[in-house]
Amino acid sequence: EAAVTQSPRSKVAVTGGKVTLSCHQTNNHDYMYWYRQDTGHGLRLIHYSYVADSTEKGDIPDGYKASRPSQENFSLILELASLSQTAVYFCASSDVDNSYEQYFGPGTRLTVL
Amino acid sequence: GNSVTQMQGQVTLSEEEFLFINCTYSTTGYPTLFWYVQYPGEGPQLLLKVTTANNKGSSRGFEATYDKGTTSFHLQKASVQESDSAVYYCVPRNNYAQGLTFGLGTRVSVFP
Repeated sequence: EAAVTQSPRSKVAVTGGKVTLSCHQTNNHDYMYWYRQDTGHGLRLIHYSYVADSTEKGDIPDGYKASRPSQENFSLILELASLSQTAVYFCASSDVDNSYEQYFGPGTRLTVL
Repeated sequence: GNSVTQMQGQVTLSEEEFLFINCTYSTTGYPTLFWYVQYPGEGPQLLLKVTTANNKGSSRGFEATYDKGTTSFHLQKASVQESDSAVYYCVPRNNYAQGLTFGLGTRVSVFP
């Protein structure tokens, strides 16, 4: 049974619209992450969270907000979607007990038109 | 500072051939390195973990080793299958719960 799930798996949004990507984990992990993957760039960290109700900026946070309402759930919010945010988004979780190995979800393919 | 270099961008093999991927890691500490694999349409998944202390790990027919002489980590498989076609990343472990740094990886294509 998948331990990190993401919804939706695919989404088409319009420029300037609001997009919310959701992530749910059943690993009982404290730490959660959002990455984006673009062709030619590998995975880049957007936001992460150590604990519920707290988020941290990653390497490319501009244009994104994050929300961690509970240990299990972590959302990525694009208030004003732009063409440059077309990418595949991955959520991951980890914990100190497993050497911070990260477990990834299946990804959300976002297309902004 | 720490830096990881994975020189091979693309590797093309036939089934049953030997796979070898090299990853050089410059660090002042005692690193742990993760090998992640990403199959088409999926998220990355942990394949192996290797430290400079234990020198090697193995999983699903893959073996990861650490070469002290060249400070390099290697991933190898004796006989690849078409299902091994994927992108393989060497990723240094952080000492804290910050995000991992993924490079471009090595795209392995195996043809029957």
